Amino acid sequence: ETVLTQSPATLSLSPGERATLSCRASQTVFTFLAWYQQKPGQAPRLLIYDASTRATGIPARFSGSGSGTDFSLTISSLEPDDFAVYYCQQRSEWPMFTFGQGTKVEMK
Amino acid sequence: QITLKESGPTLVKPTQTLTLTCTFSGFSLDTNGVGVVWIRQPPGEALEWLALIYWDDDQRYTPSLKNRLTIAKDTSKNQVVLTMTNVDPVDTGTYYCARSWFGVPNAFDIWGQGTVVTVSS
Repeated sequence: ETVLTQSPATLSLSPGERATLSCRASQTVFTFLAWYQQKPGQAPRLLIYDASTRATGIPARFSGSGSGTDFSLTISSLEPDDFAVYYCQQRSEWPMFTFGQGTKVEMK
Repeated sequence: QITLKESGPTLVKPTQTLTLTCTFSGFSLDTNGVGVVWIRQPPGEALEWLALIYWDDDQRYTPSLKNRLTIAKDTSKNQVVLTMTNVDPVDTGTYYCARSWFGVPNAFDIWGQGTVVTVSS
């Protein structure tokens, strides 16, 4: 099973700052990597798929990069609505999906 | 507009069987490349993929729970049912269904609101 490790566990930033979240896979997942945002009491929302493709309606301040085992999600300038938990998810050993443990982006 | 909605019991006793239903609209499970997945989230914890069923009735399960899960579809009702046998308090959490389709490969683009399940005697 491919394990995803997200870091840091918590990121404390202010609105307007840049956020960079990391997701590392225990073995290559090529570009089969997605990112989700989850707010308290809500379902996750897809932000990025195939490592770098923004989902429909996702603002351009969200971007994804990486391939193989190392991936990142960048929020170029945090808005108040962006403070949430972010999960990465991979597909490998078709069809098997796993999620990372999440990174909480909190307001400083 | 594409929507999914989960339904089922809120409280289940240990050792019982849990049956959850995902009712969706705006897409068809008859369409090539379309699937529905179930994902759960224990309180305060991360997401866990459970099962997936495709338009062609191909069914896949997470290995750790494979012996306890069954996923089935009713295309005429636009529903996907997940059955989990021999539940335990560790199965407590929010259960989500979501869409998988070829247009958004390897990810889940539309989610239901989730249904909360508590396993307790």
